[in-house]
Amino acid sequence: EIVLTQSPGTLSLSPGESATLSCRASQSARIGDLAWYQQRPGQAPRLLIYGTSRRATGIPDRFSGTVSGTDFTLTISRLEPEDFAVYYCHQYGDSKYTFGQGTKLEIK
Amino acid sequence: EVQLVESGGGLVQPGGSLRLSCAASGFSFSNYYMHWARQAPGKGLEWVSHINTVGSATTYADSVRGRFIISRDNAADTLYLEMSSLRAEDTAVYYCVREPTGTGMYFFDYWGQGTLITVSS
Repeated sequence: EIVLTQSPGTLSLSPGESATLSCRASQSARIGDLAWYQQRPGQAPRLLIYGTSRRATGIPDRFSGTVSGTDFTLTISRLEPEDFAVYYCHQYGDSKYTFGQGTKLEIK
Repeated sequence: EVQLVESGGGLVQPGGSLRLSCAASGFSFSNYYMHWARQAPGKGLEWVSHINTVGSATTYADSVRGRFIISRDNAADTLYLEMSSLRAEDTAVYYCVREPTGTGMYFFDYWGQGTLITVSS
């Protein structure tokens, strides 16, 4: 079973700064199988990135996804107030869909 | 506009049963895989179950296998989750989720707003 480990657990930054969120898969994953979601308080998750690096419809280019081996990264540049939320990575493998435990991006 | 509207949540006693529904609109429901995911209060996301386009194939998380049954009615554009032998640890917001088919990738592009299930005596 694939385990996704996100780091850090909490990231404290200021608007205008850049955020780097990590998601490490416990097994080698096929490129294209990782997605990222944003969840604001009291809201349902929203798709940001799919296929590791493809932005979902309507997602600004400040959001980008990359991978190196089993280490996936979500980068958010020029943080806006509405970007402060919880972010989850997500992958499919072994007939199961797995989420990371989440990274909370909070205002410093 | 794609809409997924869950219903059927509420308070249920341990060992009890509940049926969730998800009414889909704004897209061709029968062309998409559908899922249920959940989120316990203050916790992260957990995938629960998946069903293929025609309802002939289903998968479940280990935590619910044998207790939950996912189904769909494509004529009514509705997804269901039949939950039995409920436990306190099943307390969560349950989300109806859409997965695009035919992309070769696995992701959820639309989520409902969720319905809260509380398992407590």
